[in-house]
Amino acid sequence: ETGVTQTPRHLVMGMTNKKSLKCEQHLGHNAMYWYKQSAKKPLELMFVYSLEERVENNSVPSRFSPECPNSSHLFLHLHTLQPEDSALYLCASSQDLGGLTKNIQYFGAGTRLSVL
Amino acid sequence: KQEVTQIPAALSVPEGENLVLNCSFTDSAIYNLQWFRQDPGKGLTSLLLIQSSQREQTSGRLNASLDKSSGRSTLYIAASQPGDSATYLCAVHGSSNTGKLIFGQGTTLQVKP
Repeated sequence: ETGVTQTPRHLVMGMTNKKSLKCEQHLGHNAMYWYKQSAKKPLELMFVYSLEERVENNSVPSRFSPECPNSSHLFLHLHTLQPEDSALYLCASSQDLGGLTKNIQYFGAGTRLSVL
Repeated sequence: KQEVTQIPAALSVPEGENLVLNCSFTDSAIYNLQWFRQDPGKGLTSLLLIQSSQREQTSGRLNASLDKSSGRSTLYIAASQPGDSATYLCAVHGSSNTGKLIFGQGTTLQVKP
């Protein structure tokens, strides 16, 4: 248990559905991240939040909409997804964005998303 | 644009062997480099973090080295065990202070009893 919890663990949705992924961290960290892990591709950073403000949007399509209501929670709202969006979505948190040991990122177990 | 490459993509060894996993990156302007472990269907676990000013870090049977000038890092696993079977990911943190990690595709290791 890393202190980062993601729900649901598995999600199947149609292309017209709207769903949300949830991430919660119990580590008192200030930064949170969404990553996408597709088969045969490196892990890709999607969004970074620091102190509830978005500091990085890595050219992610607008059908993915993040929300960070407080420093402990991060959501990824999904709508009108495509089959190629099927992947493992990982959430991570770190103490801060800074260097040294403060930006060691702790990952959740991920949500396995299948878009039909 | 920073790119991270890991070789080999897959590795199978008998238990007890010492082994080396390789990671290379194209831009030497990095903050630090991290090695992660990922078990099937699970998230990532941080194994070692090497700051750009450091040459190596050790944790138990793991030793990671960093040669920033040549854009290379290695993860050395001593006396491998079946429980070491997993995918090992290398990631670099660039010089921008946004927490952005650039990952390699990973090396999938199988240690046979």
